[in-house]
Amino acid sequence: KNEVEQSPQNLTAQEGEFITINCSYSVGISALHWLQQHPGGGIVSLFMLSSGKKKHGRLIATINIQEKHSSLHITASHPRDSAVYICAVRSGYALNFGKGTSLLVTP
Amino acid sequence: DTAVSQTPKYLVTQMGNDKSIKCEQNLGHDTMYWYKQDSKKFLKIMFSYNNKELIINETVPNRFSPKSPDKAHLNLHINSLELGDSAVYFCASSQDSMTVWNEQFFGPGTRLTVL
Repeated sequence: KNEVEQSPQNLTAQEGEFITINCSYSVGISALHWLQQHPGGGIVSLFMLSSGKKKHGRLIATINIQEKHSSLHITASHPRDSAVYICAVRSGYALNFGKGTSLLVTP
Repeated sequence: DTAVSQTPKYLVTQMGNDKSIKCEQNLGHDTMYWYKQDSKKFLKIMFSYNNKELIINETVPNRFSPKSPDKAHLNLHINSLELGDSAVYFCASSQDSMTVWNEQFFGPGTRLTVL
């Protein structure tokens, strides 16, 4: 069983919809990362958080340490948000990754 | 200037060959990583070096040998390539391995295909 579980695996939304991607983990962590992998393959870091909530533009990430759960929200989704979103938890020196959520936003 | 660069971007080779993938970062970071992304797009840590010293070595066949000539470079050498080695390999770097607030910067990936 993977230490990091994401849901849903696949998500299709219409432009403008509010999107939520969930991440649950089973180990003690020092930080949680949300990453975005573009269709071309490149990976960028969106957020790192260990408590509370962070906002960057239309993206919001929250984490509940007691419940071992994090959510990534996208407001007013746009086709350019189409990508794979990956949750990763920092435990020790390295990151353990979820399997990703593939998001497709249609016009 | 590219922050984390990898070469080559694509690598197609025959089973049994030996190949290397190079990674360089110009961010002044102390820690570098190699990750493998399989055909199901699942990322897994392989190795991590902090200031040229190996700090993570996950259960990776010993056909894979990382080499860090200096803290800006972490190369991956693979001996006796097998079909199952086909994947995308990502290099990444971070400021250091001990700080919690530790954004990782990824290279563009190297797609390795073993025939």
